[in-house]
Amino acid sequence: TQLLEQSPQFLSIQEGENLTVYCNSSSVFSSLQWYRQEPGEGPVLLVTVVTGGEVKKLKRLTFQFGDARKDSSLHITAAQPGDTGLYLCGGTSYGKLTFGQGTILTVHP
Amino acid sequence: SAVISQKPSRDICQRGTSLTIQCQVDSQVTMMFWYRQQPGQSLTLIATANQGSEATYESGFVIDKFPISRPNLTFSTLTVSNMSPEDSSIYLCSGGNQETQYFGPGTRLLVL
Repeated sequence: TQLLEQSPQFLSIQEGENLTVYCNSSSVFSSLQWYRQEPGEGPVLLVTVVTGGEVKKLKRLTFQFGDARKDSSLHITAAQPGDTGLYLCGGTSYGKLTFGQGTILTVHP
Repeated sequence: SAVISQKPSRDICQRGTSLTIQCQVDSQVTMMFWYRQQPGQSLTLIATANQGSEATYESGFVIDKFPISRPNLTFSTLTVSNMSPEDSSIYLCSGGNQETQYFGPGTRLLVL
């Protein structure tokens, strides 16, 4: 069974601060996705990373896939209240997603 | 990308009854899955919906309790059978390819 450890579980910060969420595993994944979910909605795909060492940027969000394709990070610069939500990382192996525990982010104005 | 819709969006059901949730994708996808999620928590995979054949269930989930159909590449159903209050949860379907999955908005189920 593949496990994905996501940390921290909870993050409460002030507007303008930076933050990083981590996903770590002992298993290799063919790709890794990051999702953001708001209450009452399904997870929305933010990014898919496929290549070891890959870095992708989406406005204030920076995603990195580890060289060995076992870990990933999400960094948010100058967080805004609109970034509040549940962030999920999911590793794909043979098309099946294994999710981390999720990070509940709250950004206070 | 793929846009996924689910019906119903929410329901309140009596214990002992069954509910069928429908999932429609706006384009053909290779893979479809069903998940369960408690509010604010991560997703647990129930099963992989296979087109034209029996679904593949994860440990702890069985076909008698969660029968799944997938008659074509864009549609699937999940039935929650003989419901109990412990089945109260959010049920989500996803569709995509080997690398990426897109999710529906979820079905919020409350069993009384």
